[in-house]
Amino acid sequence: AQSVTQLGSHVSVSEGALVLLRCNYSSSVPPYLFWYVQYPNQGLQLLLKYTSAATLVKGINGFEAEFKKSETSFHLTKPSAHMSDAAEYFCAVSGGGGAQKLVFGQGTRLTINP
Amino acid sequence: DAMVIQNPRYQVTQFGKPVTLSCSQTLNHNVMYWYQQKSSQAPKLLFHYYDKDFNNEADTPDNFQSRRPNTSFCFLDIRSPGLGDAAMYLCATSNPSGGGGGEQFFGPGTRLTVL
Repeated sequence: AQSVTQLGSHVSVSEGALVLLRCNYSSSVPPYLFWYVQYPNQGLQLLLKYTSAATLVKGINGFEAEFKKSETSFHLTKPSAHMSDAAEYFCAVSGGGGAQKLVFGQGTRLTINP
Repeated sequence: DAMVIQNPRYQVTQFGKPVTLSCSQTLNHNVMYWYQQKSSQAPKLLFHYYDKDFNNEADTPDNFQSRRPNTSFCFLDIRSPGLGDAAMYLCATSNPSGGGGGEQFFGPGTRLTVL
């Protein structure tokens, strides 16, 4: 069985500051890991994904994440926050196979202070 | 552009009045999913179709049904909506044989209000 824990349901940073959103996973099989972003009243948009290639994954909008197997983590970072980054962020894990259902974390709401 | 489309974006229905939400895709993906998302929560999977095979989640209420008449379209039917069914409903697709590791492509969602 797989599970995802996102540490911090709300994160607030100043514009221009480092963004760090934490995600830890549990998986009995080699995981595929994803970060999605959701803006108000919209669907989920893929930011980046880890599928067993490079452990440092670069995504859209300047975000990146590093897969650390020893820590079972897949934290999301961005060096300099922009006001447009304010949104809800979801980490998800898939075990592959079959219909490849995703297991989501509970989400982290990112607020950017001017 | 290939995409997942949901109609309508906003739907208002009355308590107990059946409602149908629509999803279509131009990605030609095998799998289509329906999620329910309530405010400040993660999406909750209701069911999915793998080609024509329907797969219900164990805790999905019987009030929720789905149809997939062809590869491109999938419908969510709520037979007797209750106030607790007010939520955002998200449709997603994936292509398990495409090597994406389970990446799902989401539509913009339909926000359902029950009066």
